[in-house]
Amino acid sequence: KAGVTQTPRYLIKTRGQQVTLSCSPISGHRSVSWYQQTPGQGLQFLFEYFSETQRNKGNFPGRFSGRQFSNSRSEMNVSTLELGDSALYLCASSWDRGLSEKLFFGSGTQLSVL
Amino acid sequence: GQQLNQSPQSMFIQEGEDVSMNCTSSSIFNTWLWYKQEPGEGPVLLIALYKAGELTSNGRLTAQFGITRKDSFLNISASIPSDVGIYFCAGKNSGGGADGLTFGKGTHLIIQP
Repeated sequence: KAGVTQTPRYLIKTRGQQVTLSCSPISGHRSVSWYQQTPGQGLQFLFEYFSETQRNKGNFPGRFSGRQFSNSRSEMNVSTLELGDSALYLCASSWDRGLSEKLFFGSGTQLSVL
Repeated sequence: GQQLNQSPQSMFIQEGEDVSMNCTSSSIFNTWLWYKQEPGEGPVLLIALYKAGELTSNGRLTAQFGITRKDSFLNISASIPSDVGIYFCAGKNSGGGADGLTFGKGTHLIIQP
């Protein structure tokens, strides 16, 4: 069974640009969550999608957005990039909202903003 | 917002030693989880705890959900080289919505041969 796949693996952008990250969940998983990981702040919850609907959102500015498609694949977008957006962005999938603590993480997309 | 204090930040131990790490919170969680992250990978779930006082084992790993629901600990017995990594505690509240997990800052486990 394939795991959670995130693309691209590495990304370098400059301030002011926008970026789109992609996540393919484990087959059959309908919930996709996104987390930002930095050395200073650790892992922080961005948002969760279930059946194409955003169910909850963490404490991040509106520049961070996402969506989920009918096949459960998800994308995350960050607009007007800032230096502080440099981080590892992790996507995680789970079978159902009720079991959404049992997250299966991808290897992440390492974003560097110059 | 909710915060988890995880300690110690790092541990340098000899192979074969037992390891203990803990996590405390200023607020109550209904679920406590422990994840491990290795370099270049995402976190992997080790143990999930659902009831106050619950003690759960997964091989050489044992974790407990504190009675007050504000803390949890993880023990690793007889450490081996592949135990190296960052261990994260995480808390979750099941308030009806799909709330995200709140993670601790992690404990870096380093094993000296």
